[in-house]
Amino acid sequence: SQTIHQWPATLVQPVGSPLSLECTVEGTSNPNLYWYRQAAGRGLQLLFYSVGIGQISSEVPQNLSASRPQDRQFILSSKKLLLSDSGFYLCAWKRTGVNEQFFGPGTRLTVL
Amino acid sequence: DAKTTQPTSMDCAEGRAANLPCNHSTISGNEYVYWYRQIHSQGPQYIIHGLKNNETNEMASLIITEDRKSSTLILPHATLRDTAVYYCIVLGNNRKLIWGLGTSLAVNP
Repeated sequence: SQTIHQWPATLVQPVGSPLSLECTVEGTSNPNLYWYRQAAGRGLQLLFYSVGIGQISSEVPQNLSASRPQDRQFILSSKKLLLSDSGFYLCAWKRTGVNEQFFGPGTRLTVL
Repeated sequence: DAKTTQPTSMDCAEGRAANLPCNHSTISGNEYVYWYRQIHSQGPQYIIHGLKNNETNEMASLIITEDRKSSTLILPHATLRDTAVYYCIVLGNNRKLIWGLGTSLAVNP
């Protein structure tokens, strides 16, 4: 069976500090991977998606970046966090050709 | 990409059917309707999807109108654990899920 992991579960960071959130998927190969952000009381906003190693598409201009160094690893980064980066970050995966997405447990980020 | 409109919140008594409506009047012929739910502080969970025909699985039923401009998600016997935000999503031409604000369903004892 397939599982998706995210860590850390919660994170409190000062403004201007760097960020690295990691997502890994097990039990499948060549998944499509997604990073979403959900601000308090809002819907999910797609940030990045990837259809393969090294292939990243950005949806919203911002101070965040994503990388996919391995087939089942997706990393969300920032060099300098802003207050507005606070939110619930969700990683998701899906099989190529299938539309159903499976979500990880999320990382709650608070920037102070 | 077609947008969806859902009521902000709904209440349902435990054991009764919960009927969650969704309007997607601009949906195009090859776009699917997807439903997810999100329990507080967890990642969204897939429920069901459909194109034209009504669909049923172990979690819910999806009723799509003949003109496909609206749909209803039915939880036949709601439990307290069904309290969540329910998202109705139309799969866009670029194959990305477009998320709205959803309906916050409260199942009351």
